[in-house]
Amino acid sequence: KQEVTQIPAALSVPEGENLVLNCSFTDSAIYNLQWFRQDPGKGLTSLLLIQSSQREQTSGRLNASLDKSSGRSTLYIAASQPGDSATYLCAVSGAGGTSYGKLTFGQGTILTVHP
Amino acid sequence: DAGITQSPRHKVTETGTPVTLRCHQTENHRYMYWYRQDPGHGLRLIHYSYGVKDTDKGEVSDGYSVSRSKTEDFLLTLESATSSQTSVYFCAIKPATQETQYFGPGTRLLVL
Repeated sequence: KQEVTQIPAALSVPEGENLVLNCSFTDSAIYNLQWFRQDPGKGLTSLLLIQSSQREQTSGRLNASLDKSSGRSTLYIAASQPGDSATYLCAVSGAGGTSYGKLTFGQGTILTVHP
Repeated sequence: DAGITQSPRHKVTETGTPVTLRCHQTENHRYMYWYRQDPGHGLRLIHYSYGVKDTDKGEVSDGYSVSRSKTEDFLLTLESATSSQTSVYFCAIKPATQETQYFGPGTRLLVL
């Protein structure tokens, strides 16, 4: 059974800092890995998706890396802003033709960026 | 905006009462999912659908059933609600040509 762990559970940083969120998974047979953002009381918004054959993806100030063999991914946020405050969730999709895109989520990292 | 709505958005019910949550999409995407989100557990998959009348169980399906009689609607039913089913329920859709899932706004369910 796939298990996804995110460290740290919570992180508080001053505005302007660069930061790294970590995600690990137990079964390296994944199809892709996704990072989501969730604002309080809202649904999830997809930030980045990395296919299993890729090593990293970038979108603006966000960069996500994937090391499938070691079962790890990191989300790097550059020059953090108060508007980045949210919960960040990592999720993996299993390999195989019958996975149908099913996702296994980590518990999330609650990020607070203070002015 | 992936055109996903969930109804109701909030519901309070009593133990033993049947409850149905609705997920509606406007884009006719093939794949739909129901997740629940609880503190300390992240999101967990309840059931999913890969087409009309094609559904299957997820990680935490006990006590839940689903139906999909039309492409645009995916219903989640709690046959006899229990306090352990108090949670926030999210619906998601996935276009057949993409891997990204798009989530609805969620339904907060409280079972007393």
